[in-house]
Amino acid sequence: EVQLVESGGGLVKPGGSLRLSCTASGFTFSSYSMNWVRQAPGKGLEWVSSIGSSTSYIFYADSVKGRFTISRDNAKSSLYLQMNSLTADDTAVYYCARDSSAWSPAGTFDCWGQGTLITVSS
Amino acid sequence: EIVMTQSPATLSVSPGERATLSCRASQSVSSNLAWYQQKPGQAPRLLIFGASTRATGIPARFSGSGSGTEFTLTISSLQSEDFAVYYCQQYNNWPPWTFGQGTKVEIK
Repeated sequence: EVQLVESGGGLVKPGGSLRLSCTASGFTFSSYSMNWVRQAPGKGLEWVSSIGSSTSYIFYADSVKGRFTISRDNAKSSLYLQMNSLTADDTAVYYCARDSSAWSPAGTFDCWGQGTLITVSS
Repeated sequence: EIVMTQSPATLSVSPGERATLSCRASQSVSSNLAWYQQKPGQAPRLLIFGASTRATGIPARFSGSGSGTEFTLTISSLQSEDFAVYYCQQYNNWPPWTFGQGTKVEIK
């Protein structure tokens, strides 16, 4: 069974940092591009960041560029998101999501984790 | 950045009726349009990609159509489990991948 499990969420003060992890199982993690998508409370979906299967590309949304860093460890089947200089606007559930196509990114997300909540508040 | 606009924001439908959801792109996305379903407290689920191709395991009552800038998701006969929020997403011009704001399908 294909599974993604996020961890690392919690309460953090404005200006603080947090590192999210996403552990994959049930598929060849190293073959797939991976993504982070977030959802603020009561709001819609916002793409945050993407990383190619062999880190061939890395992209960020303008809203997080320069503050967030995406990375992966294919040996550990894990995806990470280092988040710095957090603000209240970063409060959201963060999902890791797999691209639908191995090797060549399709741009659709066919498998999602359950999400981890980040709350930025003093 | 391509802006995706969904309408209506909320759709009230009785079980067994047809639901028609719309999604408009600010510029052409060809057929690179996906639909997702999200139920409360759950992660989104991919329903449709390529504007009209159902993802694995998606029932035939879900259908997608359109190309360019205008797209439609139709649920032919609403079941109780279909009441949820639906998002469209373009993947023609990226980054960024962009989503619509969602349409909530609620019980009438």
